[in-house]
Formats: sequence, structure tokens, C-alpha cells
Amino acid sequence: KQEVTQIPAALSVPEGENLVLNCSFTDSAIYNLQWFRQDPGKGLTSLLLIQSSQREQTSGRLNASLDKSSGRSTLYIAASQPGDSATYLCAVGGGSQGNLIFGKGTKLSVKP
Amino acid sequence: DAGVIQSPRHEVTEMGQEVTLRCKPISGHDYLFWYRQTMMRGLELLIYFNNNVPIDDSGMPEDRFSAKMPNASFSTLKIQPSEPRDSAVYFCASDLTGGRNYGYTFGSGTRLTVV
Repeated sequence: KQEVTQIPAALSVPEGENLVLNCSFTDSAIYNLQWFRQDPGKGLTSLLLIQSSQREQTSGRLNASLDKSSGRSTLYIAASQPGDSATYLCAVGGGSQGNLIFGKGTKLSVKP
Repeated sequence: DAGVIQSPRHEVTEMGQEVTLRCKPISGHDYLFWYRQTMMRGLELLIYFNNNVPIDDSGMPEDRFSAKMPNASFSTLKIQPSEPRDSAVYFCASDLTGGRNYGYTFGSGTRLTVV
């Protein structure tokens, strides 16, 4: 059974700092990995989708990497801003399950 | 497209009452997913449909929960009777290929409170 773990559960950084969020998964037989952002009381916004054949994806200040063999993904946020404060969720998709399995998220707080 | 639309946004009901949550997926998406989010357990898949047919309902907590998709543009999740432990945010998501190529699009969720 696929399990997704995100470390740390919470992170507080000063504005301007570069940071890395970690995601690990137990079953490497995945189709893709997706990073989401969730603001308090809101839905999920998709940030980046990495297919299993890809190593990384970039969007603006965000860069996500995928190492299937080791069951790991990282989300790198450059020059963090207070507006980046949110919970970041990692989810893996594929195998026979046909659905996304989520980690419990990392709650990020960027202090001005 | 307006995205995945869920209603209501908030629902407060008394224990024992029937609750119906609604979802309109993105037009043309063949897959529809219902998730539940709680602080303790995070996001959990309840059930998903492909071409209006339920494929996997192993996440449905118990017989009090039921879901239907009568057509490609509408799905419901019903809880009868509701219990306080059902309080959570319920999300609907849709996708073109089951998440394999394009990823999921989520609705804004329904926050359910059972008192």
C-alpha cells in the first residue's frame, strides 16, 4: 500500500530565504507526482506535475524534483515571500489504484 | 470552463439528518473523485468514477455513505444518517485521464459540520 510522508510538518522561515520541502513515498511504481498548495479554508491549487519519466519541473520560483528509485521528491521555493505561506501537499498517482495518494502536508509560514 | 463546482460550500446539520453534497466536474473529464480531509487523517479518497461508473469505493467509511454519478456532469455524495465524526471538508476532483497525464483539478470543497 502506497504511503506518502512529508517532512517537516511545519516550517517557519524569514522572507527571502530559499527553502526545500520534502516528500517520500514507499512504492516507486507511480505515474506521476503532483505538488499542491492549500490556503486556510480553501481548496487545493495544483502547482507542479512531474511525470514518472521526468526528473524535474519548474514554474517561476518553484522547482520540483523527482527521484523515483529512491522514492523522493523535493519542492524548492526560491526567495520566499509572505504570500507563499500555506500548506503544501505532495501526492503520488498511478499504479493500479488510479488515484492520488496524499501526504499530510507541510505548513509553511514566511515571516516578513 | 468554471472548474469543478461543489455545493454547498458550508453545511451544518444535526446528527441523524441526511446530508447531500454535490459536484459538477469539468466538462469532458472522464474521472471524478471524492476526497475527505480531516486534521487527523489528511486527505483520503472515498470513491472514484470513470465514465459515470464507480471504480473503487473501498474508501467509503461505512454503509451510511453513498455516491452516485447519474450523468457525466453531476455527482452526489450522501451521508445518511450523519454523525459528528463525519465533520470534515469534502472535496471533489475531476480529471481527463485519471491523473496520469494532466493531474487533478479540485473543487473548493464543502465544509460539513455535524452537531
